[in-house]
Amino acid sequence: EPEVTQTPSHQVTQMGQEVILRCVPISNHLYFYWYRQILGQKVEFLVSFYNNEISEKSEIFDDQFSVERPDGSNFTLKIRSTKLEDSAMYFCASIIQLAGVGEQYFGPGTRLTVT
Amino acid sequence: AQTVTQSQPEMSVQEAETVTLSCTYDTSENNYYLFWYKQPPSRQMILVIRQEAYKQQNATENRFSVNFQKAAKSFSLKISDSQLGDTAMYFCAFMKQYNTDKLIFGTGTRLQVFP
Repeated sequence: EPEVTQTPSHQVTQMGQEVILRCVPISNHLYFYWYRQILGQKVEFLVSFYNNEISEKSEIFDDQFSVERPDGSNFTLKIRSTKLEDSAMYFCASIIQLAGVGEQYFGPGTRLTVT
Repeated sequence: AQTVTQSQPEMSVQEAETVTLSCTYDTSENNYYLFWYKQPPSRQMILVIRQEAYKQQNATENRFSVNFQKAAKSFSLKISDSQLGDTAMYFCAFMKQYNTDKLIFGTGTRLQVFP
């Protein structure tokens, strides 16, 4: 069964450093998402992406964040200058556009630890 | 804005018993989708069950069923014949009608199944 993959599974970085989180969505999916989950809290929407541009972004997704689909398969989330409060699990999700209910398929997540 | 509320931070149930997890939501939309996601200790988000708001019939998936009360904006999950593998965080989520929209999650209920 096709699945969404994410790398790395765990990233440790120092405050102020740039990080890139990578996701490979399911191959025929067209919409992509990033969510984050601070430890012990709920999952929060960051950004959605379609046709090589951002469809929607949340208040969390400020100028420190960016997304891109550089090569038609990878979907990346970049944090330019990490802060301690960026420590969280980051989930990528993808969906194929179909009529009816859209099921978002989630990747296993990347745990980001900012020290 | 839509909100999702899960009022039970933790629940426990004995193996083979039945448990019900509660979820309420607030929206002015008439058509939307509701989901229950399971997050085991591995942290992967797994779709358990989904419900289209325009359908009066409650969704069922094997041992999992929902009680969808549209007027009351309530969407509870019933797990029958609980198994040890059901131990996980359970998140209720809302999506607007446009099926590529973002998911809005509740704060989750931690379910522990005891032998």
